[in-house]
Amino acid sequence: QKEVEQDPGPLSVPEGAIVSLNCTYSNSAFQYFMWYRQYSRKGPELLMYTYSSGNKEDGRFTAQVDKSSKYISLFIRDSQPSDSATYLCAMSPATSGTYKYIFGTGTRLKVLA
Amino acid sequence: GAVVSQHPSRVICKSGTSVKIECRSLDFQATTMFWYRQFPKQSLMLMATSNEGSKATYEQGVEKDKFLINHASLTLSTLTVTSAHPEDSSFYICSARVPGLQYFGPGTRLLVL
Repeated sequence: QKEVEQDPGPLSVPEGAIVSLNCTYSNSAFQYFMWYRQYSRKGPELLMYTYSSGNKEDGRFTAQVDKSSKYISLFIRDSQPSDSATYLCAMSPATSGTYKYIFGTGTRLKVLA
Repeated sequence: GAVVSQHPSRVICKSGTSVKIECRSLDFQATTMFWYRQFPKQSLMLMATSNEGSKATYEQGVEKDKFLINHASLTLSTLTVTSAHPEDSSFYICSARVPGLQYFGPGTRLLVL
């Protein structure tokens, strides 16, 4: 079993839809949870980050962490064609020391105009 | 957010030559940088952790004599692919760490003929 599981998609939705992207994980030591957006042939761009459990909102994006279920989500409201990209979740147990991110495989999202 | 640059963005070279890729943190200092490799439609694969002023830490299966990493200053890390072969063709991405987060460069596409 991988430490982080993420459905690779592709996920196709109509413009304006609410998109839900998810990751599950097995390591209870993870404390920091990140979502990155990666356009084709570009580096990942940090979208959201959350510490421990709870919700965080930034514009059309909402990140949720449920540590009891080892499940994180990214919601995109009023999705736009420009949101079409691959979304990667990443997790880490700590911020200091020699820590590494554990990435999901990424979910390819396509928002249809 | 913090800005990380990479140079070159794309390079084509002949088999047997060496290629150097630079990663710079433009508006912050990074004691730790990471080098990743990404194959088409796959997630990021961590190659090595680069620490300023010390030797890089390589992931299992990554040849340190093949992929030379130098982190000479707090804003610059370099990856040199030595004696490149066609199987080294890939998308190489660096990231720079600030407490709790990693910011990624735009990536370098390497094609070895």
